[in-house]
Amino acid sequence: QKEVEQNSGPLSVPEGAIASLNCTYSDRGSQSFFWYRQYSGKSPELIMFIYSNGDKEDGRFTAQLNKASQYVSLLIRDSQPSDSATYLCAVRGNTDKLIFGTGTRLQVFP
Amino acid sequence: DTGVSQDPRHKITKRGQNVTFRCDPISEHNRLYWYRQTLGQGPEFLTYFQNEAQLEKSRLLSDRFSAERPKGSFSTLEIQRTEQGDSAMYLCASSPRSGGYTFGSGTRLTVV
Repeated sequence: QKEVEQNSGPLSVPEGAIASLNCTYSDRGSQSFFWYRQYSGKSPELIMFIYSNGDKEDGRFTAQLNKASQYVSLLIRDSQPSDSATYLCAVRGNTDKLIFGTGTRLQVFP
Repeated sequence: DTGVSQDPRHKITKRGQNVTFRCDPISEHNRLYWYRQTLGQGPEFLTYFQNEAQLEKSRLLSDRFSAERPKGSFSTLEIQRTEQGDSAMYLCASSPRSGGYTFGSGTRLTVV
């Protein structure tokens, strides 16, 4: 079992819809959870992160954690074509390193 | 804050040659990380430093890979006797004590 798993997609949503991205993780001791966006040929950029104590909203983005089921989700409201990218989920355990999933490709069509 | 800087952006080398990459982290960040990413995959952890101390190195990293951060500022990643399987994007990131990483633009290595 991989440490962080994501559906590779693509996930296709129409402009203005809500995009829902998920990842599951295997280490119950994981303490913080990160979402990165990566455009083709570019490096990952941090969207937001949450700790194990709660969800977080930032503009059109909401990150949610379900500790019991060991999954993290990212909701993107009012999706725009510029949101089309690969979204990487990452998890930090009891060391400083982040473990990344393989990413989910999101396509927002006009 | 000028971000994380990596040099070079692209490197083409012949199989068997040695290559060295440089990373300059955000100055206030004491943690520095190296990752490798191939097409369709997420970044794969290689190693990380807290100040000048190398605290962890991936078990997947062969002896041909070595990294240094001599004064706790910039870091170098050297690959000796390159192989075609080393072709990838090499990403450097830095972070403060907590929070997310900031990645550099990466060095794309092609081994021919």
